[in-house]
Amino acid sequence: QVQLVESGGGLVKPGGSLRLSCAASGFTFSDYYMSWIRQAPGKGLEWVSYISSSGTTIYYADSVKGRFTISRDNAKNSLYLQMNSLRAEDTAVYYCARDQAARRGGPFSDYWGQGTLVTVSS
Amino acid sequence: QSVLTQPPSVSGAPGQRVTISCTGSSSNIGAGYDVHWYQQLPGTAPKLLIYGNNNRPSGVPDRFSGSKSGTSASLAITGLQAEDEADYYCQSYDSSLSHVVFGGGTKLTVL
Repeated sequence: QVQLVESGGGLVKPGGSLRLSCAASGFTFSDYYMSWIRQAPGKGLEWVSYISSSGTTIYYADSVKGRFTISRDNAKNSLYLQMNSLRAEDTAVYYCARDQAARRGGPFSDYWGQGTLVTVSS
Repeated sequence: QSVLTQPPSVSGAPGQRVTISCTGSSSNIGAGYDVHWYQQLPGTAPKLLIYGNNNRPSGVPDRFSGSKSGTSASLAITGLQAEDEADYYCQSYDSSLSHVVFGGGTKLTVL
């Protein structure tokens, strides 16, 4: 069965860095686009970034562009999110998700991890 | 302010039918891009409920259905059950932003 397990969250000071990881299993990781989606406490979902199956195509939300870097290691079945220059407004649960191509438009996420909490506070 | 607009809350009694709207614009739903729906039960990760406007993944009851018209989409839930109490999110693609967008979410309360 498809499993996505995030790790690396925690408490970090404003301006600090954190690297999230997502370990994938139960499917051929290298065949799928993957996304990071976050949810601030008590708020809705916000798409953060996605990466193509080969890693050559990457998109970011404007709110994280220039500060976050998505990457993947298909040999290790792992997805990463390097987060730099963190701000209080980056505080959220970060979900890793497997993507499927839509008939028209961007991908949708058919499997989600349980999430990892990132808290940015002094 | 979300690109896709959903009502903050809806409610219904067990057995009733409720609908949740998702209103977009000409750069997303109105441009013909697919709409997808997610269900988030309290304290859990979101789960795909409807994809491609009106398709249910395996395991999702046929009480859940999706539709799309013009710049809006809707999620309908019939035969409401207590376990349907959750937050529901719509998602589409926006050509102006060049990425996927979510609605603000709708909290469904089963009375």
